[in-house]
Amino acid sequence: GDSVTQMEGPVTLSEEAFLTINCTYTATGYPSLFWYVQYPGEGLQLLLKATKADDKGSNKGFEATYRKETTSFHLEKGSVQVSDSAVYFCALMEYGNKLVFGAGTILRVKS
Amino acid sequence: GAGVSQSPSNKVTEKGKDVELRCDPISGHTALYWYRQSLGQGLEFLIYFQGNSAPDKSGLPSDRFSAERTGGSVSTLTIQRTQQEDSAVYLCASSPGTSNDEQYFGPGTRLTVT
Repeated sequence: GDSVTQMEGPVTLSEEAFLTINCTYTATGYPSLFWYVQYPGEGLQLLLKATKADDKGSNKGFEATYRKETTSFHLEKGSVQVSDSAVYFCALMEYGNKLVFGAGTILRVKS
Repeated sequence: GAGVSQSPSNKVTEKGKDVELRCDPISGHTALYWYRQSLGQGLEFLIYFQGNSAPDKSGLPSDRFSAERTGGSVSTLTIQRTQQEDSAVYLCASSPGTSNDEQYFGPGTRLTVT
């Protein structure tokens, strides 16, 4: 079945550091790919998405490119802030509109 | 406007009791989803309602779990004869209903089975 694998955390960075959170997926077809974020004490919210190969999703300085050849959707940000501390989930949607999530990666940004 | 709301926010119950969890989706959203977030299993899909179609129940872990959606709006997830492994945060989400739509998540219900 479909699955998503993302790098284990926690990831601890200093403010203004470069961030990469790796995400790879397994799917039978051509899924849509998502990054969701869960800030402390808040619900899950969509960060960005891409619906076809080579699409780049971006929001709040975060970017991720849908790479079909490597089945990857790595999340990047050039300069993280303390306020980016959260849990990040990579997810795919293929059939039936149900999301399949990765295990989540905790990001801690220190000032 | 109002987002997805869930109640209760926390529920503690004894093993063997039945529990009901409620979800109020965003007004006008035709699709509604239930997920479970637990330490051991991460975020898992449970069930999906789309309009008047038969629900996709493929993620329900056992026949102790059931859900209904009345009038195409409010949904109730029922867990019968709760077990300790049912302890988790139960998340509800809704979307406008077209494919690849963003799903808007509620704050969740934290269920603890003692």
